[in-house]
Amino acid sequence: SAVISQKPSRDICQRGTSLTIQCQVDSQVTMMFWYRQQPGQSLTLIATANQGSEATYESGFVIDKFPISRPNLTFSTLTVSNMSPEDSSIYLCSVGAVRGDTEAFFGQGTRLTVV
Amino acid sequence: AQRVTQPEKLLSVFKGAPVELKCNYSYSGSPELFWYVQYSRQRLQLLLRHISRESIKGFTADLNKGETSFHLKKPFAQEEDSAMYYCALDAGGTSYGKLTFGQGTILTVHP
Repeated sequence: SAVISQKPSRDICQRGTSLTIQCQVDSQVTMMFWYRQQPGQSLTLIATANQGSEATYESGFVIDKFPISRPNLTFSTLTVSNMSPEDSSIYLCSVGAVRGDTEAFFGQGTRLTVV
Repeated sequence: AQRVTQPEKLLSVFKGAPVELKCNYSYSGSPELFWYVQYSRQRLQLLLRHISRESIKGFTADLNKGETSFHLKKPFAQEEDSAMYYCALDAGGTSYGKLTFGQGTILTVHP
């Protein structure tokens, strides 16, 4: 199993500012994922954070808006840049599942409100 | 692109009644299907996956490739089953590890 610590758990931010969310895993993992859950919506994958290379972004998400760092195999950050009220969501960090071997584990989420 | 559909946003049953949470998917390959659950004030966690064919907390789910469905069932619901349930798909290949989620179903089990 993997234990994921994500912080902050919640924040209220002013529009135009940036927030960096941290994700710490208690074991080394190859891939980490960042998801967004907008109010009343399902989870949507933002990007895959790969150690030693640039993150891979899904359609509709760009690096300038959501820069990601992955300095080592246990840690990643997601920054939400130049925030607007539309960025108000829950952001989740996840360690990906390995086929047939392990399940996907999730952080507790960061509830972001942009005012 | 793959898609997961959970047609019911809300589902209410009484304790002891059978419950079925529906999940349909669209994907041309051979996906892996999962059910994740989020209890109140807890993080998202795996309930079961189709490859293991397990029964977890009395829940079962069978992958029906013909109907592209992966419905979650429990013969006798309990109050502690009240939670948000997500059906998820892993397309594998170059997308391996990335999950596509359904919209989620809030299950409420009344006493």
